[in-house]
Amino acid sequence: EIVLTQSPGTLSLSPGERATLSCRASQSVSSSYLAWYQQKPGQAPRLLIYGASSRATGIPDRFSGSGSGTDFTLTISRLEPEDFAVYYCQRRYTFGQGTKLEIK
Amino acid sequence: QVTLKESGPVLVKPTETLTLTCTVSGFSLSNARMGVSWIRQPPGKALEWLAHIFSNDEKSYSTSLKSRLTISKDTSKSQVVLTMTNMDPVDTATYYCARCIVGATTLPYYFDYWGQGTLVTVSS
Repeated sequence: EIVLTQSPGTLSLSPGERATLSCRASQSVSSSYLAWYQQKPGQAPRLLIYGASSRATGIPDRFSGSGSGTDFTLTISRLEPEDFAVYYCQRRYTFGQGTKLEIK
Repeated sequence: QVTLKESGPVLVKPTETLTLTCTVSGFSLSNARMGVSWIRQPPGKALEWLAHIFSNDEKSYSTSLKSRLTISKDTSKSQVVLTMTNMDPVDTATYYCARCIVGATTLPYYFDYWGQGTLVTVSS
């Protein structure tokens, strides 16, 4: 079974800064199956990125995804106050443990 | 407009069986490119996938929970039902149903729509 490991566990940044979140797979995976989600307290997860780099409908272009093989990245180019949340990567039926993006 | 809504008990006792229903709208459970999964999240913890049902009624289950789970669907009612037997306090979690986009080989790609979730507490 492939394991997804996200890093860092917590990322402390200020609005306006750039955020880089990592998702590493325990073995090489097809980028077609790699997705990213955002979850705010008390809410269901929201799909941000699918196919490693395609933005879901309505997702601002400050969110971008990249990577291949075992290493994938979610980048938020310029943080807005509403971007502080927990982010999960997913491949097929497996989720990473999440990265909490908090305000510094 | 695609929506999913979970319903079921908020409190179950240890050893009881949990039955949750996901009622969907805006898409058909017979669409070959879509399926529905159940995913749970214990308080303060990560997401855990539980079970999935495809349009052709094929099912997949979490390896660790397979013996306790049953997923089924009623296409005419647009409902997907999950049962989990022998509930334990560690099963306390918010349970979500989510629509899954599926590839030609029926492998899941991503979950594009989620229900609001229902918190189930297991306690005597």
